[in-house]
Amino acid sequence: DAGITQSPRYKITETGRQVTLMCHQTWSHSYMFWYRQDLGHGLRLIYYSAAADITDKGEVPDGYVVSRSKTENFPLTLESATRSQTSVYFCASSVPGGNYGYTFGSGTRLTVV
Amino acid sequence: AQSVSQHNHHVILSEAASLELGCNYSYGGTVNLFWYVQYPGQHLQLLLKYFSGDPLVKGIKGFEAEFIKSKFSFNLRKPSVQWSDTAEYFCAVTRSSGSARQLTFGSGTQLTVLP
Repeated sequence: DAGITQSPRYKITETGRQVTLMCHQTWSHSYMFWYRQDLGHGLRLIYYSAAADITDKGEVPDGYVVSRSKTENFPLTLESATRSQTSVYFCASSVPGGNYGYTFGSGTRLTVV
Repeated sequence: AQSVSQHNHHVILSEAASLELGCNYSYGGTVNLFWYVQYPGQHLQLLLKYFSGDPLVKGIKGFEAEFIKSKFSFNLRKPSVQWSDTAEYFCAVTRSSGSARQLTFGSGTQLTVLP
C-alpha cells in the first residue's frame, strides 16, 4: 500500500545512539500507530496519535519518543538505543473508529549492536 | 484492557486440507475483530473484519471467520488451503467505543502449507 511509507527499511545502529524511524501517510488519517513485532509476542503498541500534537503511550513506550507536528508524519525516536530494541517496527494509520481497518506500512527492521 | 490469545503457534497442513485457527479475546464490552495476514517479508494485510451484524464474516482469498460472542472467539477458517497461504496470521481486537481504537494483537500463528 503506497499510502503509508516507512523509512528506512533496514537500519543497523550501535547501542547508545539515537535513531529515528520515519512514517508518512498520504490519506490524512487522523490516527497513527507505532508497533513493534517480536517473535512470540505478536505486535505490541508503542505509541499512538489521535491527531497532530496529540500522542499517547501504548503497551511498551519506555525508551521511545514520538512527535506529530503534521497529520501525515509520525516519527519514532529511540533516544538511546538498546539491544532489546532490536525488532521490526510497523507504522499504521486509520480513520477514527477504525471502521475501514488499519493500514500498515512495510516495516523497518532495526538491529542494535 | 483487552487481550487476545491465539492457541496455535505453528500449524502445518497439506494443500487442500481445511484450516481453522483459533482466536479468543478477553474484554467485557463490545469489540471489533480483525484477522491480518503477513506473508514472508511483507507488511500486514487485512483479511477480514467484524464490526456488527452477521457473525459469519467472509474475507479475501476464500477466508472466513465466525464471531461467537458467548465464547469470546473469532476463529479463522478456510475450506481448502493452498501453498500460497503460507504466512503468519494475526487476530486483533479493538473496543467498539471510545476515541482510542488501538489494535491489540494476538501472538500470531505461523501457517505452513506443504505442496
